[in-house]
Amino acid sequence: SYVLTQPPSVSVAPGKTARITCGGNNIGSNSVHWYQQKPGQAPVLVIYYDSDRPSGIPERVSGTNSGNTATLTISRVEAGDEADYYCHVWNIESGVFGGGTKLTVL
Amino acid sequence: QVQLVQSGAEVRKPGSSVKVSCKASGDTFTSYTISWVRQAPGQGLEWMGRIIPVVNTSNYAQKFQGRVTITADESTTTVYMELSSLRSEDTAVYYCARDGTGDLSYFDSWGLGTLVTVSS
Repeated sequence: SYVLTQPPSVSVAPGKTARITCGGNNIGSNSVHWYQQKPGQAPVLVIYYDSDRPSGIPERVSGTNSGNTATLTISRVEAGDEADYYCHVWNIESGVFGGGTKLTVL
Repeated sequence: QVQLVQSGAEVRKPGSSVKVSCKASGDTFTSYTISWVRQAPGQGLEWMGRIIPVVNTSNYAQKFQGRVTITADESTTTVYMELSSLRSEDTAVYYCARDGTGDLSYFDSWGLGTLVTVSS
């Protein structure tokens, strides 16, 4: 089965840039979607098709995908960005999520 | 924008079954697949399976094959997820999620989740 690997945690100071990676075998050939989840809430889509933003998601949130790594980048990090982030792909009609990354704003 | 309204929390004994519902409103029901995703306490998201209402076809993650059944009732625009032979490790919040473009893309709408507790 296809495995997506995320770092368990990323810490960043306010105003700095956070980068959350999602590793998978030739993930660049897949479309990657990213979700933000805050405690006690359902996930929310923040990036789809590698780099597109849904309406309401600020421009400082961006995504890239190439080779074996997809990356979610959050610039000018704010306290409100503190959450868990999950990457997601489809593998032969089965959904696959990364293990999730807890973003801590110092 | 579609809304997904899930049924309330459930408590079940080990070995029993649970059926969770997800009512969709605000968009064409049969045009989009619905997936079920669960999250055990303190753990990550886990995809369980999906249904394509327009052809009433489902497929499941290998881990849940034989234990999970996802069905849809077009007349009530409701999708159901039934999980059988429950064990304590099935204690989790179960979410339904709609595929944003129809199938095999991103989840643009999520239900609020249904807590299923398995305990003797």
